[in-house]
Amino acid sequence: AQSVTQLDSQVPVFEEAPVELRCNYSSSVSVYLFWYVQYPNQGLQLLLKYLSGSTLVKGINGFEAEFNKSQTSFHLRKPSVHISDTAEYFCAVIRMDSSYKLIFGSGTRLLVRP
Amino acid sequence: DGGITQSPKYLFRKEGQNVTLSCEQNLNHDAMYWYRQDPGQGLRLIYYSQIVNDFQKGDIAEGYSVSREKKESFPLTVTSAQKNPTAFYLCASSIKVGRGSLSNQPQHFGDGTRLSIL
Repeated sequence: AQSVTQLDSQVPVFEEAPVELRCNYSSSVSVYLFWYVQYPNQGLQLLLKYLSGSTLVKGINGFEAEFNKSQTSFHLRKPSVHISDTAEYFCAVIRMDSSYKLIFGSGTRLLVRP
Repeated sequence: DGGITQSPKYLFRKEGQNVTLSCEQNLNHDAMYWYRQDPGQGLRLIYYSQIVNDFQKGDIAEGYSVSREKKESFPLTVTSAQKNPTAFYLCASSIKVGRGSLSNQPQHFGDGTRLSIL
């Protein structure tokens, strides 16, 4: 079975500071990896995805993530956050052999303070 | 612009009542999904549909029903059998469901419906 772990339920950070949101996964087969962002009372918006190739992927709003196969991690980073980045962030995976099932982590709330 | 429209944004259910949540997409996507989101938890799959007139149960289908009579529409009914319906419900769609290279298509989400019990 697959699982996605986001250990940090909430990450407080000051504006213009760097941030890293952690994501680890377990799967018996290869997976595709995604990060989604959810603003209050809204749906999820795709931030970035890792399909293959370079392990460092860049997404929207200045975010990037690095795929580490040996550590089964896909941490999300931003060098300088803004107040507007305050939101819930979800890491998710899809098995390469069964694409209907997007498996989500429990989410990390990023709280950016002035 | 293409997208996914969920309605209503807020919905209240009385005891013993069935309620239906609407989801419409104009992205020409084949696959559609319903998720339930509870506080502190990730999204859990209720039902999904790969093609018109076909749908499959997800992880938490009990107490819910769906239909897929049109490609654009995938309504979700929360029946009275669902004893804890209070949650945020999200509809999503993707180009196609498939194996291998087709499985990397991201899902696009609507803005959700918040369902509460009266």
